[in-house]
Formats: sequence, structure tokens, C-alpha cells
Amino acid sequence: AQTVTQSQPEMSVQEAETVTLSCTYDTSENNYYLFWYKQPPSRQMILVIRQEAYKQQNATENRFSVNFQKAAKSFSLKISDSQLGDTAMYFCAFGGGSNYKLTFGKGTLLTVNP
Amino acid sequence: DSGVTQTPKHLITATGQRVTLRCSPRSGDLSVYWYQQSLDQGLQFLIHYYNGEERAKGNILERFSAQQFPDLHSELNLSSLELGDSALYFCASSHPQGLGYGYTFGSGTRLTVV
Repeated sequence: AQTVTQSQPEMSVQEAETVTLSCTYDTSENNYYLFWYKQPPSRQMILVIRQEAYKQQNATENRFSVNFQKAAKSFSLKISDSQLGDTAMYFCAFGGGSNYKLTFGKGTLLTVNP
Repeated sequence: DSGVTQTPKHLITATGQRVTLRCSPRSGDLSVYWYQQSLDQGLQFLIHYYNGEERAKGNILERFSAQQFPDLHSELNLSSLELGDSALYFCASSHPQGLGYGYTFGSGTRLTVV
């Protein structure tokens, strides 16, 4: 079974600075997908960024980028120029194998301070 | 609006009662997933339906059941409710081309059992 570990329950960053959220996973699959979801106080789950395991290039979406290290089974999220609206719970998720289930980590609560 | 519709948004009910949560997937999506998010837990996978058929089951209690109808909407039935069932229940759908696009989540149903 796949597991996803987010080792930082809480983090904080000053507005305009850069922060990196960590995620590691365990799987025996070779083809899979990794995702970061954001859950702001509204509780809506919002897809931030996705990575396909067979692509070596790290995904980027505006201020959000990932550092995908397949051999180390690591998938960290970097947020540049942090904004107050980035304050949210961030979940790392793994998807792959014979079913279409996503397995989520327990989340990292990020607070952006003015 | 994500395109995934969940009703109701809030539900307060007494222990021992039965409730039904409803979900309509995004137009064109055939899969529906149900997840439970409790206060101290991440997102726990409950069940996955694809085009009316059950595809995968997670940690779903026997008191809980679900189905997906021909029009692709899904219902999650929770019976003999206990205080510990209080949680945010999410429905999500996925692109028919596969998991690589991730899930689109509904806004959730907040269930409070008193």
C-alpha cells in the first residue's frame, strides 16, 4: 500500500518570502502521479500542482514549483513570493497503481504573516 | 465553482439517525470518490464508483453505503450515526482520461452528530 508522509505539521513564513513544504511517499509502482492540494479556511480542496513520475522535469505553476526526486521518493512544494492568500492547509497526494484512488498525507498548515 | 456539486453543505443530526449525502460529478467525469475528513485526520478514502459500478473500497464502515446512479450522481448513506461520524465529507470526480489530471473536489458536506 502507498503511504504519504508530511513531516511538518505547521509552518510559517513572512509575506514575500519563499517557503518549502516537504513530502515523502512510499510505493512499489513505477508509473504514478503526485499532487499538491491547498485547503484554505473555506475548506475547499484546490489543486495546486501535479507531477507525472515519468517526467524528470519539475512542474511549475506560477509561484508554485516542485522538487521531485524519484529515487528518494520525495516531492516538495516551493512557494515563492508568499502571499497572505496562501495561508492554508497543504496536502500532498499520491495516485497510481491499479486503482484510481488518491492517498493523501496528513497535511501541513502554512501561515503567511504580514 | 469547481463543477462538482455536493448537497447539503451542512447537516446536523442526532445519534442513531440516518442521513444521505448527495454528489453530482463534473460534466463528462464518470468517476466519483468519497472521502471523510475528521479534525485530527487527513482525508480518508471511503469508496470509488466508475460509471455506476463500485471500483474500490477503503476504510468505509458497514454502517455506511454508497451508490452511483445512471445519471452519474452519487449518494453516500450514513446510518446509526455516532458522535465520531462528525466530519467533513468530500466528493470528488476525475477526468475520464485518467488520474493524471487529479481530482476535482466538491465543497463538502459538514456533518455534525449531536
